[in-house]
Amino acid sequence: GEDVEQSLFLSVREGDSSVINCTYTDSSSTYLYWYKQEPGAGLQLLTYIFSNMDMKQDQRLTVLLNKKDKHLSLRIADTQTGDSAIYFCASRGPGGGSQGNLIFGKGTKLSVKP
Amino acid sequence: DSGVTQTPKHLITATGQRVTLRCSPRSGDLSVYWYQQSLDQGLQFLIQYYNGEERAKGNILERFSAQQFPDLHSELNLSSLELGDSALYFCASSVDRAGGYTFGSGTRLTVV
Repeated sequence: GEDVEQSLFLSVREGDSSVINCTYTDSSSTYLYWYKQEPGAGLQLLTYIFSNMDMKQDQRLTVLLNKKDKHLSLRIADTQTGDSAIYFCASRGPGGGSQGNLIFGKGTKLSVKP
Repeated sequence: DSGVTQTPKHLITATGQRVTLRCSPRSGDLSVYWYQQSLDQGLQFLIQYYNGEERAKGNILERFSAQQFPDLHSELNLSSLELGDSALYFCASSVDRAGGYTFGSGTRLTVV
């Protein structure tokens, strides 16, 4: 079945850039998403990209999509301690994951050191 | 506040019992999704309702059931609870396919 994979941990220093990577298997994915989960909270949608785009920028966030390699990345510029959280990648396609429902990776825990 | 309301926030119950989790979607959203988040399995899709009707089923156990009412709120019923059912249960809602889901803050279920 469809799968989304992410590395589990990333540690960076405050002020550096963070790059969180994700690979997915469903080539028919039409939308790809990044969610952020802070401790004790629900998932917050950060950004999403349509599959016909290569890049999307939103303030400190840059999403890069390599559709050929089925690789998605999230770059956070000038990472702050408040960015410490778990980041989930998710894919969605017309036939993906039970009629197009989101398939999530296991999440990447980002730790930002001062 | 995301606009998706889940109650209760915490629930502690014994094995074999039955519980009901409640979700009110964001105003205007017709779809409601239920997810289970556990440490070892990550986020697992359980079930989706759209405007009162079941639309899709994921990895939902037969001991679990859900429904969506005419006012669009949804309930997830978990019965014959086992220790392994302890997890965070999230509800999410959406209005269209592109914009992603809006998640509630979850119900933490502990089965003892």
